Amino acid sequence: EAGVAQSPRYKIIEKRQSVAFWCNPISGHATLYWYQQILGQGPKLLIQFQNNGVVDDSQLPKDRFSAERLKGVDSTLKIQPAKLEDSAVYLCASSLVVGGGTEAFFGQGTRLTVV
Amino acid sequence: GDSVTQMEGPVTLSEEAFLTINCTYTATGYPSLFWYVQYPGEGLQLLLKATKADDKGSNKGFEATYRKETTSFHLEKGSVQVSDSAVYFCALILHASGGSYIPTFGRGTSLIVHP
Repeated sequence: EAGVAQSPRYKIIEKRQSVAFWCNPISGHATLYWYQQILGQGPKLLIQFQNNGVVDDSQLPKDRFSAERLKGVDSTLKIQPAKLEDSAVYLCASSLVVGGGTEAFFGQGTRLTVV
Repeated sequence: GDSVTQMEGPVTLSEEAFLTINCTYTATGYPSLFWYVQYPGEGLQLLLKATKADDKGSNKGFEATYRKETTSFHLEKGSVQVSDSAVYFCALILHASGGSYIPTFGRGTSLIVHP
């Protein structure tokens, strides 16, 4: 079974530039998550989709971050404009359903460096 | 709000030593509890989980018991190997209002095992 695919693996941009990350979840997984993991910290949930609808985006900085999941499969996360403090690993995860005991499967992440 | 507190690392052990990584949580309700592991250069992988009080999760020689009375989910292994060197994340998932399940991760504990 193919895992969660993310691209690119690494990205370096200057502050105030824009960047986009792509995620392809495991086939059949209805729930998709985007996390931000700053060095030395645990992953922080940015947004959660159920199919193509947003379940929770309370921790997404909506003035600069946006995400979409067209057709309920692939998803993109965009930052515009980027700030130095956005440097982090951006993780995508998916799970079969939404539920308290449901395991999430993670991609390898995209390491973003803003200079 | 809900939170997860892990012991600070790095934890440095010799091969075959006993491992304990402490995890305590704060939650309004009855969360499901998880341990994820992140090997160098890879995404997070589920190690084990427990969905209700007194449940014990186990996998690959690792164990953790859901203790509601002490709000803890400590990770243990009787004899660690060099290949166990990784970062370990404790996490909880709690049912939030509106039908969503919000995952919360700890900061992670780095384990280094020497031959």
